[in-house]
Amino acid sequence: DAGVTQSPTHLIKTRGQQVTLRCSPKSGHDTVSWYQQALGQGPQFIFQYYEEEERQRGNFPDRFSGHQFPNYSSELNVNALLLGDSALYLCASSLRLTGGNTIYFGEGSWLTVV
Amino acid sequence: GNSVTQMEGPVTLSEEAFLTINCTYTATGYPSLFWYVQYPGEGLQLLLKATKADDKGSNKGFEATYRKETTSFHLEKGSVQVSDSAVYFCALSDSSGNTGKLIFGQGTTLQVKP
Repeated sequence: DAGVTQSPTHLIKTRGQQVTLRCSPKSGHDTVSWYQQALGQGPQFIFQYYEEEERQRGNFPDRFSGHQFPNYSSELNVNALLLGDSALYLCASSLRLTGGNTIYFGEGSWLTVV
Repeated sequence: GNSVTQMEGPVTLSEEAFLTINCTYTATGYPSLFWYVQYPGEGLQLLLKATKADDKGSNKGFEATYRKETTSFHLEKGSVQVSDSAVYFCALSDSSGNTGKLIFGQGTTLQVKP
């Protein structure tokens, strides 16, 4: 049973560019959340997708957008990259029915903006 | 709003020492509480959880008790090993529908020396 998988593992982008990160949830899960973890900090909630719609959003600008596909996989897009967007981006999946009691995280995508 | 505060690190212990990492929270309602562990270069792994007051979560020798009266969820282990060296995050999930959104503390780095 595959857990949460994310791609790419590492990437380097230039300031002003756009990036797309991908996530496949754990088998049987229908909800995907994205978090940003800056170096030395705890993860910060970006947004959550369920039934292909954004259901909750944290305190992040509109440059951060996402999408969920019918197979429950998800993408995180960041436009007009800033140096401060350099971070580990974590995807978490859960089952809506059980809520937040069982949340699984992927290994993350390390984004470096230069 | 909801928040989590952890003791600052790094915490440096000798092998077989007793570990306590303090965590306090501010929340409305009755959140679930979690401890996650992050090993170097890896994503987050759920260590233990508690879903209601006075519950004790335990795993791999680690324990934490959900104390509503003191709004705390301190992590303890009786005898740490070098392999326990990692960053530990305390987190809570919102109680409004328990949708899987987590709020994390800033993390506490544990270093265990042989």
